[in-house]
Amino acid sequence: EVQLVESGGGLVQPGGSLRLSCAASGFTFNSYWMHWVRQAPGKGLVWVSRINNDGSDSAYADSVKGRFTISRDNAKNTVYLQMNSLRAEDTAVYYCVRDFPSFDPWGQGTLVTVSS
Amino acid sequence: DIVMTQSPDSLAVSLGERATINCKSSQSVLHSSNNKNYLAWYQQKPGQPPKLLIYWASTRKSGVPDRFSGSGSGTDFTLTISNLQAEDVAVYYCQHYYSTVSYTFGQGTKLQIK
Repeated sequence: EVQLVESGGGLVQPGGSLRLSCAASGFTFNSYWMHWVRQAPGKGLVWVSRINNDGSDSAYADSVKGRFTISRDNAKNTVYLQMNSLRAEDTAVYYCVRDFPSFDPWGQGTLVTVSS
Repeated sequence: DIVMTQSPDSLAVSLGERATINCKSSQSVLHSSNNKNYLAWYQQKPGQPPKLLIYWASTRKSGVPDRFSGSGSGTDFTLTISNLQAEDVAVYYCQHYYSTVSYTFGQGTKLQIK
């Protein structure tokens, strides 16, 4: 069974940092691009970042460019999202998603709350 | 960036009837190299992550009931849910994956039972 499990969310103060992890299983991880998508409370889906299968190329939404960094460790079947200079508007559930090339499947998500 | 606009924002349909959700992209998502529309539909139920329903605008994901169908090409797309069931209550999103540096979702359409 294909599975994605996120971790690392929590409460952080504005200006702080957090690293999210997503552990993948059930498929050949190093063959797939991966994405992070976020959803603020009661709001819609917003794509955040993606990384190609060997980690050599990445892309970011303008809202996080320069603050967030996506990376992956194919030996550990894990993708990461390093989030720096966090703002209140970054508060959201962050989903890890496999590139299908549409998005499938989605992890259960991890909640990031930026508040003082 | 390509902007995805869904209509309506919400709708209420009676059980057993048909629900239609529209999605319009600000530019074509039809790739000339393979004649495929880079458009997907997702279903999100409360408290759950989204689930893929339709990709390539009209290909139903394995296991998705055949009452869900997608149509359209270029910039105009439709998700149709026939014979609406109670378990279809959800928010539905369209998304383009035409670009590899920007992926955009529609704002979502909330489907309820009338």
